[in-house]
Amino acid sequence: AQSVTQPDIHITVSEGASLELRCNYSYGATPYLFWYVQSPGQGLQLLLKYFSGDTLVQGIKGFEAEFKRSQSSFNLRKPSVHWSDAAEYFCAVVTGTASKLTFGTGTRLQVTL
Amino acid sequence: DVKVTQSSRYLVKRTGEKVFLECVQDMDHENMFWYRQDPGLGLRLIYFSYDVKMKEKGDIPEGYSVSREKKERFSLILESASTNQTSMYLCASQFIPDTQYFGPGTRLTVL
Repeated sequence: AQSVTQPDIHITVSEGASLELRCNYSYGATPYLFWYVQSPGQGLQLLLKYFSGDTLVQGIKGFEAEFKRSQSSFNLRKPSVHWSDAAEYFCAVVTGTASKLTFGTGTRLQVTL
Repeated sequence: DVKVTQSSRYLVKRTGEKVFLECVQDMDHENMFWYRQDPGLGLRLIYFSYDVKMKEKGDIPEGYSVSREKKERFSLILESASTNQTSMYLCASQFIPDTQYFGPGTRLTVL
């Protein structure tokens, strides 16, 4: 069965520091991969997605992610974190013909000033 | 701009009540989804619908049913609410096979 693993439940970084959130997936075919962000009490907002082509994907709010097939990873990065980036981040992979999403359990990002 | 709305942001119900959660999308998307979100468990799919009157069970359908009479509207029904259904409920819509767009969520408390 397809699965998504986000090994870090909680990460704390200082404002201005770089950020990398890890995501590993288990899926037999070429995956469609997504990163979503959820601010407290809100729904999920798409940060970026990978379907095919260039393995380095740019998203909104200065985020990027790199698809590495050999490592089954799709890690999210940002060179300089802002206090407003504090939120929960979810990695997801599309599974099945109905385009259902399988989500990781999320990583909560705390930003210290 | 893409818009998915949910009928309530917060809802408090009593055990045994019938609960309706409504979701409306304005993008003419075929697919619509209902998830529940619990701390440490991420999002889990309850039901999804790929067309009017068509539905499929997700990973945790027990205790829930759904209705899709019009393309833009997808309802989640708790026939007899229980305390273990206290959760955040998120609706999403999708134009196959692209991004899912999420509503703001409904935080349901069952007393």
